[in-house]
Amino acid sequence: SQQGEEDPQALSIQEGENATMNCSYKTSINNLQWYRQNSGRGLVHLILIRSNEREKHSGRLRVTLDTSKKSSSLLITASRAADTASYFCATGPNEKLTFGTGTRLTIIP
Amino acid sequence: EAGVVQSPRYKIIEKKQPVAFWCNPISGHNTLYWYLQNLGQGPELLIRYENEEAVDDSQLPKDRFSAERLKGVDSTLKIQPAELGDSAVYLCASSSRGTGSSNEQFFGPGTRLTVL
Repeated sequence: SQQGEEDPQALSIQEGENATMNCSYKTSINNLQWYRQNSGRGLVHLILIRSNEREKHSGRLRVTLDTSKKSSSLLITASRAADTASYFCATGPNEKLTFGTGTRLTIIP
Repeated sequence: EAGVVQSPRYKIIEKKQPVAFWCNPISGHNTLYWYLQNLGQGPELLIRYENEEAVDDSQLPKDRFSAERLKGVDSTLKIQPAELGDSAVYLCASSSRGTGSSNEQFFGPGTRLTVL
């Protein structure tokens, strides 16, 4: 069963624009992770944010977490063609990760 | 450092046939995971190994699926017999230690199974 649900399901933007995708989850969490999956490649871990953190940055990525609303957002700034991929949020301990349904991001050159 | 290796990358079989997937985790990683990913969905855990022991197989359909991790390194996931609904991508991942939240999982490229 999927714990999280990403929104939107699909997103297309022009190269250079910012992309924002959201994740809502159902149960209390200790941390939330974001993963990227390119066509033909496996999932790659992007960033982890703990339940006591509200915002975290990594390069062009910015993640926010609102535990009161059980939601998280991933912002990719200055998008590039290589950012075209599916993005998943995942919750739970590492030994029992539960992934969301994903947002399919397409960057238009 | 080599990543998680999976083979084959693609497999097409007829229903009721058996199929097996192989995974070689990152060297030194004790924990190995098998996931199922349906089209348009996120991965769902099938089984987790700590070394050679299957510590969580609660989501593995045991009537037709089986897995093994002999010697605590490589792992094989088998389906016998395959059904049409088994068409999906089967992902393998490994991490250095399963417990705790700080140990990142590293995923292989997956095996895309098509059952005709």
